[in-house]
Amino acid sequence: GAGVSQSPSNKVTEKGKDVELRCDPISGHTALYWYRQSLGQGLEFLIYFQGNSAPDKSGLPSDRFSAERTGGSVSTLTIQRTQQEDSAVYLCASSLGGGRGDTQYFGPGTRLTVL
Amino acid sequence: GENVEQHPSTLSVQEGDSAVIKCTYSDSASNYFPWYKQELGKRPQLIIDIRSNVGEKKDQRIAVTLNKTAKHFSLHITETQPEDSAVYFCAASENYGQNFVFGPGTRLSVLP
Repeated sequence: GAGVSQSPSNKVTEKGKDVELRCDPISGHTALYWYRQSLGQGLEFLIYFQGNSAPDKSGLPSDRFSAERTGGSVSTLTIQRTQQEDSAVYLCASSLGGGRGDTQYFGPGTRLTVL
Repeated sequence: GENVEQHPSTLSVQEGDSAVIKCTYSDSASNYFPWYKQELGKRPQLIIDIRSNVGEKKDQRIAVTLNKTAKHFSLHITETQPEDSAVYFCAASENYGQNFVFGPGTRLSVLP
């Protein structure tokens, strides 16, 4: 079946603009994660959704970052007033969740460049 | 919260040799330990995982060992090949994917 998809694959924006990144998880996966990966660096956890529970937002670096997950499926990560240090690849992952399976399957990522 | 350390940060081996990457974790509640491989410019992909009720798991040239008492787990790759060159990430999490924390990664280079 289809894997995790993300859009856009690349996004170039100017400093101060808002951006929205989209993630379509694997159908039936109740858990969804957002990560940020700077060039040559590791995976920085941003936010975790599990079913209808309140999301774990502990990884969001500032209040300019927010995420939603509508209908328990598609998720949108929004970055307001982008800064150059926001430039990175933003990866989304999903898993069966709910104790049914923890394996995370990653999307291809969105490469964000803030000029 | 959970803290995952990973060593070494870079590792170079000759083709055909073995490679070992070690991770330690801090939260005794963690019970799921996956390993991901990320090739240059690509997404991380799961290569093997282990749960806390198992001490070792093997899949062809790849094996993972877990020592819950010492809170460390290791990835072993035997008969390395150039296509094994990538960044490898370990991770630890509790039940239901809570507190899912990745290690900083190990860049493995297999020299022909």
